[in-house]
Amino acid sequence: DTGVSQNPRHKITKRGQNVTFRCDPISEHNRLYWYRQTLGQGPEFLTYFQNEAQLEKSRLLSDRFSAERPKGSFSTLEIQRTEQGDSAMYLCASSPSTVFRETQYFGPGTRLLVL
Amino acid sequence: AQTVTQSQPEMSVQEAETVTLSCTYDTSESDYYLFWYKQPPSRQMILVIRQEAYKQQNATENRFSVNFQKAAKSFSLKISDSQLGDAAMYFCALYSGGGADGLTFGKGTHLIIQP
Repeated sequence: DTGVSQNPRHKITKRGQNVTFRCDPISEHNRLYWYRQTLGQGPEFLTYFQNEAQLEKSRLLSDRFSAERPKGSFSTLEIQRTEQGDSAMYLCASSPSTVFRETQYFGPGTRLLVL
Repeated sequence: AQTVTQSQPEMSVQEAETVTLSCTYDTSESDYYLFWYKQPPSRQMILVIRQEAYKQQNATENRFSVNFQKAAKSFSLKISDSQLGDAAMYFCALYSGGGADGLTFGKGTHLIIQP
């Protein structure tokens, strides 16, 4: 049973550039979540998907952020026109939709640095 | 809005001793779940233990146990026989559904194990 995987693990970009991260959830996990974690803080919820449907978005998810899960499997998170304040660890998590759906399993994260 | 508070930014314990990490929370939901996650340095977040609010019995997982005080909205984690591998950031998290399907995390407690 492979865990949640995320790519890339690290990304350095210049302010104003666009970046895209990928998350592959645990097989057969219907729910997929994105979180952002800044230094010294706990993760903050951004958005989540039930299969391919995006069901909830946090107010933290500005218009520059977009997430997709086109076939209900992997997901992408894109940040357009990056700002230095976007520098953070972006975490993906997945959970089954039925039993123990409340328990989320996390990937290793993508660390973004915006210069 | 729901909140999770971890009042101990850092804790230190001697190897083989017992340590307790504190967590308080607030939610208006009657059905919710509480979690402790461990995040080792530069490694992914791992579930340590979960507690369903409707269960009176405190959850245990080997050396890890919780003291769940529902009326006081307190959810502490006890680690017995501390091991060097327990050194990590520990996050308390709350899931209450009710339209907010993301986890709400505390700021974390940095646990140091002294040999």
